[in-house]
Amino acid sequence: DQQVKQNSPSLSVQEGRISILNCDYTNSMFDYFLWYKKYPAEGPTFLISISSIKDKNEDGRFTVFLNKSAKHLSLHIVPSQPGDSAVYFCAASPLGRYIFGTGTRLKVLA
Amino acid sequence: ETGVTQTPRHLVMGMTNKKSLKCEQHLGHNAMYWYKQSAKKPLELMFVYSLEERVENNSVPSRFSPECPNSSHLFLHLHTLQPEDSALYLCASSQATGTPGDTQYFGPGTRLTVL
Repeated sequence: DQQVKQNSPSLSVQEGRISILNCDYTNSMFDYFLWYKKYPAEGPTFLISISSIKDKNEDGRFTVFLNKSAKHLSLHIVPSQPGDSAVYFCAASPLGRYIFGTGTRLKVLA
Repeated sequence: ETGVTQTPRHLVMGMTNKKSLKCEQHLGHNAMYWYKQSAKKPLELMFVYSLEERVENNSVPSRFSPECPNSSHLFLHLHTLQPEDSALYLCASSQATGTPGDTQYFGPGTRLTVL
């Protein structure tokens, strides 16, 4: 059974609008969460992370929100740009090991 | 070269072949990882090395044999693979293992096809 789930395989958003990518997890012992972005023919690149002791972390256009009671993580990108089109993976980290979701393909329309 | 590099980028092999995947990290990290990504599945951790010592083997079949000769290089030796082993194989490195918040940096991957 998957411990980290990204239930939306794809998402399309108009340029300039907000993109919201969602992730759910099952294990309340996870202590760190990360988002990675992957372009075709490249490896995943680290985007942003959040510790389980926080509920929000912001880095420029990217903000990650953590709702521990709901075991839910989300990534907000605002404003969205065409260059943000990629596959986004969330990962949960128990003690430094990563457990990944299946990814959400984001397409930002110009 | 910077970051994490992997060679070859693409590999096609028969079930009786022996081949090796190579990973090199230029980040001065002490931990290296092999992951497998199959279509529509999450990345699966295969092996973890810390300071050239294998610290984790996630029930990977013996037809996959890792080797870590030093902290900068990691190999995955392949022998008598099955068609279902066709996947993207990703290498990653991090400063250490088991540390919360220790970011892993990935290579571009090797796309393996087993005929």
